[in-house]
Amino acid sequence: NAGVTQTPKFRILKIGQSMTLQCTQDMNHNYMYWYRQDPGMGLKLIYYSVGAGITDKGEVPNGYNVSRSTTEDFPLRLELAAPSQTSVYFCASSSVGTDTIYFGEGSWLTVV
Amino acid sequence: GENVEQHPSTLSVQEGDSAVIKCTYSDSASNYFPWYKQELGKGPQLIIDIRSNVGEKKDQRIAVTLNKTAKHFSLHITETQPEDSAVYFCAASMTSGGSNYKLTFGKGTLLTVNP
Repeated sequence: NAGVTQTPKFRILKIGQSMTLQCTQDMNHNYMYWYRQDPGMGLKLIYYSVGAGITDKGEVPNGYNVSRSTTEDFPLRLELAAPSQTSVYFCASSSVGTDTIYFGEGSWLTVV
Repeated sequence: GENVEQHPSTLSVQEGDSAVIKCTYSDSASNYFPWYKQELGKGPQLIIDIRSNVGEKKDQRIAVTLNKTAKHFSLHITETQPEDSAVYFCAASMTSGGSNYKLTFGKGTLLTVNP
């Protein structure tokens, strides 16, 4: 019953550092997403993928990169971290033919 | 693109009372409207959803209504309990052929149920 698993749960980065947030799902879902959630705001879509090898930008893609080499994994890469990237990041997945999106537990990232 | 407005931003009720959260959307092409509950330190979890061909849907103490003409949809929680305390998000998207992505979320409502 793992569902969507994100790592790490918490991370502090210095300005200019890079890191990768890992996301894996065991539900064989075609679609995967990365959202960010800022205090008092709704979730905003960063990138999404409709299948292995296919990715596309969401609403707020600047400063991030993604790849989708397998159905299960959808890592989010932050290059040259900036304070504006301090946020909670949620990975999610869904299946073709259903509308339900399943979210992971979140990754809290602070850039100082 | 789609814009979703959600009100109120905070809502405090007494246990046993009803709670209503309202959302409006801008894109008349949107046809799928889910509601998510987010508990502290957790990811959002779907609690109920409604599609544009339905005006109302109920699931025990939770109901959602949709007015397509006015582009409004609302979440109704009856007989509230302390465990209903959480942040609730509405969202909207256009699904096509069973493919759903690019949900647009409201900013959330912090519901507090006082014992």
